Amino acid sequence: AQKVTQAQTEISVVEKEDVTLDCVYETRDTTYYLFWYKQPPSGELVFLIRRNSFDEQNEISGRYSWNFQKSTSSFNFTITASQVVDSAVYFCALSEASISYGGATNKLIFGTGTLLAVQP
Amino acid sequence: GAVVSQHPSWVICKSGTSVKIECRSLDFQATTMFWYRQFPKQSLMLMATSNEGSKATYEQGVEKDKFLINHASLTLSTLTVTSAHPEDSSFYICSARVVGQFDQPQHFGDGTRLSIL
Repeated sequence: AQKVTQAQTEISVVEKEDVTLDCVYETRDTTYYLFWYKQPPSGELVFLIRRNSFDEQNEISGRYSWNFQKSTSSFNFTITASQVVDSAVYFCALSEASISYGGATNKLIFGTGTLLAVQP
Repeated sequence: GAVVSQHPSWVICKSGTSVKIECRSLDFQATTMFWYRQFPKQSLMLMATSNEGSKATYEQGVEKDKFLINHASLTLSTLTVTSAHPEDSSFYICSARVVGQFDQPQHFGDGTRLSIL
């Protein structure tokens, strides 16, 4: 069964600190995709990154970076020099490529989320 | 970029009312749309997968007669919460993606906050 675990329920940091959000996943698929989404207090989901299972290269985008390690089934997210605007709930998600009548369903399975509070 | 519009943003209504939520892909065609429910301080749980022109596929534990889903066109899916009760109060959010493109991110609507009095 597919599962995404975000063990950190809440994290509080002071502005300019670096913070890493952990994500561990389980899947039997050999092809899968991992995502990170940000959900600010207003509720909308903001897409941050996707990574396919064949690409273990780490990625950096501005203050954001992601560390994908298949050996530990982890896809961790680091924010460098955090800012108050980074305060939000962050979700890690796994997309399975299950096939059913009509084609692949591509369901997204979300972790429980990590609430990040950045204090000024 | 791909835009998904969800309407209404907020709904407050009396118990027993049926509520319809619309999810539209504005600048692309979505053969598949997904409906999620999120209770306060919890994760998003997939309710059903909506395929254009066919019956929706519901996740285990989701009552299909309670949550009616219609996906009549490639740009519109609707979720109707029938005879809503206070326990149905939640944040409902839809997403859309062309089927098969599972390497592409789902595009999410802004969600609908449903409060049943």
